[in-house]
Amino acid sequence: GAVVSQHPSWVICKSGTSVKIECRSLDFQATTMFWYRQFPKQSLMLMATSNEGSKATYEQGVEKDKFLINHASLTLSTLTVTSAHPEDSSFYICSARDRLAGNTGELFFGEGSRLTVL
Amino acid sequence: TQLLEQSPQFLSIQEGENLTVYCNSSSVFSSLQWYRQEPGEGPVLLVTVVTGGEVKKLKRLTFQFGDARKDSSLHITAAQPGDTGLYLCAGEPNTGNQFYFGTGTSLTVIP
Repeated sequence: GAVVSQHPSWVICKSGTSVKIECRSLDFQATTMFWYRQFPKQSLMLMATSNEGSKATYEQGVEKDKFLINHASLTLSTLTVTSAHPEDSSFYICSARDRLAGNTGELFFGEGSRLTVL
Repeated sequence: TQLLEQSPQFLSIQEGENLTVYCNSSSVFSSLQWYRQEPGEGPVLLVTVVTGGEVKKLKRLTFQFGDARKDSSLHITAAQPGDTGLYLCAGEPNTGNQFYFGTGTSLTVIP
C-alpha cells in the first residue's frame, strides 16, 4: 500500500528553538496533506490543511506564525514549530491522500513525531 | 475544530460483550471513515461509508451511516481483548476540504 514517511519520529529540543518535521509521500503524489496534533488519550486535532503550491489553511486557534507549513512539492510537506515552548510538546502526525483517489480515497498516515520541549 | 462528537468517550467492558460507538455531527459528510489507533502509532482505516443508510460489516464490526449522512455508528459483537484501542470516526464535511476526526472513543476489553 501507499506509504507516508514522517521524520523525525522523536525529537527533544530546548525551549526557544525551532523544530522541523517532514512528511513525505513515497509512492504517490499528494496535492493535499493534513497536519494533526494529538495529546495523550485524545483524538487528532486538525491544525492545518497543506496544499501544494499555495498557502496552508489553518484551523481556528492555530497560530500560523508559530506552526509554519510549507508544501513545496507533490510529495513533501513540512511543519516547523518555531520558538518552541513546553506546551508545544505533543504527538504531531501528518496524512496524505493520493491525488488520483478523489475525496473518498483512503488517507495514509505518517508514523507521527513525538516532540518534547524542555 | 472538531465537528464530529463521539460517545461514549471511554468504554471498559468484559470480553464477549457487545458495544456500540456513536459519531454525530450537525454537518453533512460526503463520506465517513472509521479508524482504530494504537498508542504511538498512526490511525488504521477500518471502513469507509459513502451512501446514506449504508451498512457495512467487517467480521464482528458493523458500521452504519445515517440516512442524512450526519452520523454513523460502530457496533462490535463479542468484543475481544484485541479490540482494545482508540476508535475514531473521521470525514470531510461537504463545506470544505478539511479532514476532521471525531473526539474519539477509548475502548478497553477486559479478558
